[in-house]
Amino acid sequence: QKEVEQDPGPLSVPEGAIVSLNCTYSNSAFQYFMWYRQYSRKGPELLMYTYSSGNKEDGRFTAQVDKSSKYISLFIRDSQPSDSATYLCAMMERRALTFGSGTRLQVQP
Amino acid sequence: SQTIHQWPATLVQPVGSPLSLECTVEGTSNPNLYWYRQAAGRGLQLLFYSVGIGQISSEVPQNLSASRPQDRQFILSSKKLLLSDSGFYLCAWSARQGDQPQHFGDGTRLSIL
Repeated sequence: QKEVEQDPGPLSVPEGAIVSLNCTYSNSAFQYFMWYRQYSRKGPELLMYTYSSGNKEDGRFTAQVDKSSKYISLFIRDSQPSDSATYLCAMMERRALTFGSGTRLQVQP
Repeated sequence: SQTIHQWPATLVQPVGSPLSLECTVEGTSNPNLYWYRQAAGRGLQLLFYSVGIGQISSEVPQNLSASRPQDRQFILSSKKLLLSDSGFYLCAWSARQGDQPQHFGDGTRLSIL
């Protein structure tokens, strides 16, 4: 079993939809949780960085962490075609990052 | 603000040839530096990390090596490339203090023929 599980997709949604992206993990020592967005042929770009369980909002993006269930989510409101990318979850234990394999999102205009 | 540069963006090399990929960070001092490889449809695999000049830790034994000759410069090298070295190589940095997230460059796509 992988330490971090993430559905590879692709996930296709119409413009304006609410998108839900999820990761589960098995290592309870993970303390920090991140979401990265990666466009084709580019490096991952940090979107959200959270520590505690609960929600963190930044514009159209909301990151949710449930440490008791070992489950994290990223919600995108009013999705735009420019949100089409691969989204990677990542988790940190003592500065070592473990990544999910990424979910490819396509937002149709 | 901090920026990270990687070059070249794309590289095609024959099997058995040497390799040198360079990464530099601007706008910060004493960063932690990382090299990752990303295979298609898979997560990022950490290859090397460095907490200071000349200090390199290897996560995966392989055909590659890394060096940090200056505080904000990180180099990935190989003496003889293998077909299996093909992939997307990413450099990243994080602040030295505390548990800070990593920030990535735009990567080098390496193809071995």
